[in-house]
Amino acid sequence: QQQVKQSPQSLIVQKGGISIINCAYENTAFDYFPWYQQFPGKGPALLIAIRPDVSEKKEGRFTISFNKSAKQFSLHIMDSQPGDSATYFCAAPQTGAGSYQLTFGKGTKLSVIP
Amino acid sequence: NAGVTQTPKFQVLKTGQSMTLQCAQDMNHEYMSWYRQDPGMGLRLIHYSVGAGITDQGEVPNGYNVSRSTTEDFPLRLLSAAPSQTSVYFCASSPKLLTRARNSPLHFGNGTRLTVT
Repeated sequence: QQQVKQSPQSLIVQKGGISIINCAYENTAFDYFPWYQQFPGKGPALLIAIRPDVSEKKEGRFTISFNKSAKQFSLHIMDSQPGDSATYFCAAPQTGAGSYQLTFGKGTKLSVIP
Repeated sequence: NAGVTQTPKFQVLKTGQSMTLQCAQDMNHEYMSWYRQDPGMGLRLIHYSVGAGITDQGEVPNGYNVSRSTTEDFPLRLLSAAPSQTSVYFCASSPKLLTRARNSPLHFGNGTRLTVT
């Protein structure tokens, strides 16, 4: 079973600061790395994803950076806001029985304090 | 738009009881799956289905059964509940299968919180 190692487990950031969450993978079926965001009492929802024909993808305040040689990718949240307080999961595809499945990291609980 | 609907939202079972967690999606999605979420363990795949009549095991399938008789519904059955199955269960669907050329994001329901005593 492929491992996706996510760190840190929890993160506290001041409003306006930069939040950085890292993920490392052992192997992946192909280069596709999504990030999911989960608010309390809700299911996860896709936040941003990268298919690394590029090493970075930016959507608003959220940026994914990818380092293929190091087998690492990260999520950067610029100008963090209290509304960004949530749990974040990275994921990577692995081979299932005739199909591809996402393996998720263990999650990072982000708290943005005013 | 209902999206992915899970029922019930909360459930308490005694050890050895059986029950079915319901999942329905109204988006005509081909792919459906069940995950469990435990503190510090992230999301772990239990079972998945790539279409009506087709199911397969994920990472943690023991103690659970699934079937997919229609495109819309994908129920998860606990055969004989155990305290280790205390968890939050999420059903997810996506329009098509994830492939090398297609991203196919997952749409999650809001979960069923199950406690087994």
